[in-house]
Amino acid sequence: GQQVMQIPQYQHVQEGEDFTTYCNSSTTLSNIQWYKQRPGGHPVFLIQLVKSGEVKKQKRLTFQFGEAKKNSSLHITATQTTDVGTYFCAVSGATNKLIFGTGTLLAVQP
Amino acid sequence: DTAVSQTPKYLVTQMGNDKSIKCEQNLGHDTMYWYKQDSKKFLKIMFSYNNKELIINETVPNRFSPKSPDKAHLNLHINSLELGDSAVYFCASSKSRDRGIEQYFGPGTRLTVT
Repeated sequence: GQQVMQIPQYQHVQEGEDFTTYCNSSTTLSNIQWYKQRPGGHPVFLIQLVKSGEVKKQKRLTFQFGEAKKNSSLHITATQTTDVGTYFCAVSGATNKLIFGTGTLLAVQP
Repeated sequence: DTAVSQTPKYLVTQMGNDKSIKCEQNLGHDTMYWYKQDSKKFLKIMFSYNNKELIINETVPNRFSPKSPDKAHLNLHINSLELGDSAVYFCASSKSRDRGIEQYFGPGTRLTVT
């Protein structure tokens, strides 16, 4: 079945530093969604990308879909302690079945 | 005013027991899902219902049986619990079953089998 890998698995940054997580697939993706899960919490939808090369911004978060639609990235500028959590990419398939990436756990030291 | 709710939040039980987890959404959504998150945080779809009809049934042991009495509720019954069933189970819902529709997750049920 389809697999979506994320790197890194874990990232520890100082508050104010930037952070990037990457999502890679061996097959072309029709779309990519990003979710955030706070420690002890549940996944919360952040955004969806569908077009080749698409870039979307939400305040300090920048999401990008690769030109070949096989990879995506999430970049956070000047991290804050509120950014702590696990970031998942996910592909939505037929019947809206979500195939989640392996996740990147972000720790932010104040 | 909780959008997607699950009960119980925590469930500790012994091997061999049968247990149920309940999920309700008040968003008026047509589609509901069950996901399992293991100890390594990996999230995997288990089932999905659309308007009470089963539309996704992943490779899940038949000890797991979902039931949707109406489109606002999706319950998960697990028979003969095993140690490997320990995980966090998330219910989710979306407006429709169309590809790419945002999913709303419940708070999760942490199941511990001893």
